[in-house]
Amino acid sequence: AQSVTQLDSQVPVFEEAPVELRCNYSSSVSVYLFWYVQYPNQGLQLLLKYLSGSTLVKGINGFEAEFNKSQTSFHLRKPSVHISDTAEYFCASRGNSGYSTLTFGKGTMLLVSP
Amino acid sequence: DAGVTQSPTHLIKTRGQHVTLRCSPISGHKSVSWYQQVLGQGPQFIFQYYEKEERGRGNFPDRFSARQFPNYSSELNVNALLLGDSALYLCASSWDRAQTQYFGPGTRLLVL
Repeated sequence: AQSVTQLDSQVPVFEEAPVELRCNYSSSVSVYLFWYVQYPNQGLQLLLKYLSGSTLVKGINGFEAEFNKSQTSFHLRKPSVHISDTAEYFCASRGNSGYSTLTFGKGTMLLVSP
Repeated sequence: DAGVTQSPTHLIKTRGQHVTLRCSPISGHKSVSWYQQVLGQGPQFIFQYYEKEERGRGNFPDRFSARQFPNYSSELNVNALLLGDSALYLCASSWDRAQTQYFGPGTRLLVL
């Protein structure tokens, strides 16, 4: 069984400051990892994904994440946030077999203020 | 290209009623998955369909059912609605079972 833990339910930050949203996963098999963003009253948009290869993954809107197998983590980072980054961020995992069901964390609300 | 579309966008029902939610995948995608997102939580997997067959089912009661049509669109049906079924229902499509999923805007269901 897989599980995903997002350690912070809310992260307040000032505009242009750096941010890190934390995600830890638990799985008995190798996993693929994803970050999705959800703006108010909208569906989920894929930010980035780790399938294999380089452990540093770059995504859209200036976000990046680093896969750390020893720490079982996949933290999301952005060096300078904008007001428009205010949204809910979900970390998700799935096994690397031929089956694409996602297991999500509970989400982290990123609140960017001027 | 159009993304995943879902209808209706919002729905209000009363306890005991039945509801049907619809999803059209991205063109060329053959797999559709359904998720339930209760307020303040991450999405929970309900069903996955691929090539019109059920390929996976989450921990939901038999009141929940789904199907996929020859054009790969899908319906989620929920019978005997309970207050706890109030949620955002998300549909996701992928080219096949193992590929990255892309989500639609969701249907927000309120059960009174």
